Amino acid sequence: GENVEQHPSTLSVQEGDSAVIKCTYSDSASNYFPWYKQELGKGPQLIIDIRSNVGEKKDQRIAVTLNKTAKHFSLHITETQPEDSAVYFCAASNEGFQKLVFGTGTRLLVSP
Amino acid sequence: NAGVMQNPRHLVRRRGQEARLRCSPMKGHSHVYWYRQLPEEGLKFMVYLQKENIIDESGMPKERFSAEFPKEGPSILRIQQVVRGDSAAYFCASQDRGLGYTFGSGTRLTVV
Repeated sequence: GENVEQHPSTLSVQEGDSAVIKCTYSDSASNYFPWYKQELGKGPQLIIDIRSNVGEKKDQRIAVTLNKTAKHFSLHITETQPEDSAVYFCAASNEGFQKLVFGTGTRLLVSP
Repeated sequence: NAGVMQNPRHLVRRRGQEARLRCSPMKGHSHVYWYRQLPEEGLKFMVYLQKENIIDESGMPKERFSAEFPKEGPSILRIQQVVRGDSAAYFCASQDRGLGYTFGSGTRLTVV
């Protein structure tokens, strides 16, 4: 089955810096890659996703890149703000089978 | 438009008791997923249901755990004879076909 690895487990940056979180997946059939943000005591919130027919997608300060050949995808956050501090999870699925396989999470801390 | 509603938010059960977790999907969503999150870990898929049908229960333990999504009413995740290892956050997500998941805020189960 699918296996998703995520790095780093923790990431500390200064406000205004960029943050990059990387994930690799094992199943070449996976074609949908969402990213979730989870704040303390809350459920995961979808922040951006990408499908395998594109290599990059951007939404304001957030972007995701996908390299299908290498089976890895990355989340890029620019101009980080303290409110970006949270745990971020990547995930992968074969949309035909619906279920998501999650990475182990990255705790991002943005210091003012 | 209320999001995915889960209740209770917190549930304490003694070993051997039963736990019932409820999930009302977003209006119009007919696909429901249950995930379990252990402390400091990612989310693990448990079960995928559509109205009155279990589509994929490959992530759910064979014993003590069951799930349903009746024609009327919320989806229920039921854990019989709970043990300390069942302590976790249980998240429900709903989906309109082809789009990303929306997660609820979760039920935090503590077994004492």
